[in-house]
Amino acid sequence: SQTIHQWPATLVQPVGSPLSLECTVEGTSNPNLYWYRQAAGRGLQLLFYSVGIGQISSEVPQNLSASRPQDRQFILSSKKLLLSDSGFYLCAWSVGHSSNQPQHFGDGTRLSIL
Amino acid sequence: DAKTTQPNSMESNEEEPVHLPCNHSTISGTDYIHWYRQLPSQGPEYVIHGLTSNVNNRMASLAIAEDRKSSTLILHRATLRDAAVYYCILVREGTGRRALTFGSGTRLQVQP
Repeated sequence: SQTIHQWPATLVQPVGSPLSLECTVEGTSNPNLYWYRQAAGRGLQLLFYSVGIGQISSEVPQNLSASRPQDRQFILSSKKLLLSDSGFYLCAWSVGHSSNQPQHFGDGTRLSIL
Repeated sequence: DAKTTQPNSMESNEEEPVHLPCNHSTISGTDYIHWYRQLPSQGPEYVIHGLTSNVNNRMASLAIAEDRKSSTLILHRATLRDAAVYYCILVREGTGRRALTFGSGTRLQVQP
């Protein structure tokens, strides 16, 4: 069966520090991969998605970047964190080319910026 | 995007069936009805989806009205682990749009 792993589960970082969040998927090949942010009491915001190695699409301009160095690995990064980067970061995967395919989420990383 | 309307909250007793309604009166022909749920401090979990016909899986059943303007997620026997916020969303086929947009959902409480 397919599984998705995100780490760390929680992270506290000072303003201006770098960030690297990692997500890996097991049990499937060539998944579509997604990074979302969920602010407290608000809905999901899609940050990046990827349909293959090295292929990244950004949904919103921001202080973050994403990379996909391997088929089932998706990394969210920042060179200098802002206070507004606080939130609950979720990685997800889906299969197939259809935008209708269900997305399967990891357990998320809760990021607090001090 | 077509919108959905759900009750803010519902309560159920453990071991009883739960019917969670969703209205989507402006649904278009290529919109699929998806349901997700989110437990506290966890990522959303896919539950079920359908287009026109009723659907069943190991987690739940989805009943879709004949005119597709409403649907109902059915949990056959609620457990305490089913307490979560349930989101009904429409996903349009063929647009290439990837983002899932959740509304406020229905908060389901399950009493022992």
